Amino acid sequence: AQRVTQPEKLLSVFKGAPVELKCNYSYSGSPELFWYVQYSRQRLQLLLRHISRESIKGFTADLNKGETSFHLKKPFAQEEDSAMYYCALTSRNTGKLIFGQGTTLQVKP
Amino acid sequence: EAQVTQNPRYLITVTGKKLTVTCSQNMNHEYMSWYRQDPGLGLRQIYYSMNVEVTDKGDVPEGYKVSRKEKRNFPLILESPSPNQTSLYFCASSSKGRAGDSPLHFGNGTRLTVT
Repeated sequence: AQRVTQPEKLLSVFKGAPVELKCNYSYSGSPELFWYVQYSRQRLQLLLRHISRESIKGFTADLNKGETSFHLKKPFAQEEDSAMYYCALTSRNTGKLIFGQGTTLQVKP
Repeated sequence: EAQVTQNPRYLITVTGKKLTVTCSQNMNHEYMSWYRQDPGLGLRQIYYSMNVEVTDKGDVPEGYKVSRKEKRNFPLILESPSPNQTSLYFCASSSKGRAGDSPLHFGNGTRLTVT
């Protein structure tokens, strides 16, 4: 079955500390992975996608097909990174999109 | 302003009373979809539409209906709401016909309570 798992409900770090939000997936085909973010009082929005291989707001994520993971990383957390983060999965030729349970990132001053 | 608009923002209703949550986008997007957000379960896809007159089930379609008669609108219909449909609902759209080809634009959400 297709599934996205974010094992941490809450991740709390201090400003300047490294951050890693975990995402594991289960999918039999060729997945496309994304990270979406919801800042306080804002709409859910795309942060990055594995196809683009880009860094957005200092965040990166590498698709590891061997470990079926797509962890989101940032070397130095900022207070403005505090938000809810969702990992999501889809595949070619489909409109299905599967989200994980979400992880709340709290960056303390 | 380019956006996805959902109405109403808040809705309290009783079991069995049919309701419709509207979703409209003004960006000429091909793809539209509905999600429900529940604590501990994240976002779950209810239905999606890759083009006009084309709709498909997501992971949790039971108890919901949708229609896509025109490109801009994608209403979510609960024919006989039940308390387990109490949730926060999001509509989203993207410019291309698949979920992953372009970023999803989300609405502000509709908080539904069924008593």
